[in-house]
Amino acid sequence: DAMVIQNPRYQVTQFGKPVTLSCSQTLNHNVMYWYQQKSSQAPKLLFHYYDKDFNNEADTPDNFQSRRPNTSFCFLDIRSPGLGDAAMYLCATSESDIPNSEQYFGPGTRLTVT
Amino acid sequence: DAKTTQPNSMESNEEEPVHLPCNHSTISGTDYIHWYRQLPSQGPEYVIHGLTSNVNNRMASLAIAEDRKSSTLILHRATLRDAAVYYCILRGSGGTSYGKLTFGQGTILTVHP
Repeated sequence: DAMVIQNPRYQVTQFGKPVTLSCSQTLNHNVMYWYQQKSSQAPKLLFHYYDKDFNNEADTPDNFQSRRPNTSFCFLDIRSPGLGDAAMYLCATSESDIPNSEQYFGPGTRLTVT
Repeated sequence: DAKTTQPNSMESNEEEPVHLPCNHSTISGTDYIHWYRQLPSQGPEYVIHGLTSNVNNRMASLAIAEDRKSSTLILHRATLRDAAVYYCILRGSGGTSYGKLTFGQGTILTVHP
């Protein structure tokens, strides 16, 4: 059963053209995360929501925004994608943000910027 | 943030046990030790976590050194499906790193038939 769903799995966008990636969850978890994973690198946290509270990482570029309209859905908006934003974008959820909680990851959306 | 050190790669044969080491000499008393793995073209997957005592679950065992400065993930019988990148991550309870997963480079595990 799919628990963390990401659509689409593959996205191609043009340089500078805004793009939105989506994530949904059936776990009813409070926390949703967005990670960026570039080729041959480890995932890097961009930001997360605890319920409606948004938490941005200090080094996340302003070009990246997020929305969480309800518990189930979270969106990643890239306002003006550059070639360096080509990556796998991973959504994850967690019941809580306490240090002994598990995160559940989706399959990722691979973004190509042409 | 406390750091972890893992070997870049390890190899194993199918159906043999695998011991994946992780050093975390700067671990704080409230840091949990988490292990995730990432199979090719998939998102990371939770494997196991612990604080002080050894832990077992259906996927693996986690052996934590008495001083907590190192740990070992044990796969009891490796299968081809266990070939993945294994990440050892400290998840802290203090300051701006509260509860976050900060991935290092991990260990690439190759399993030979």
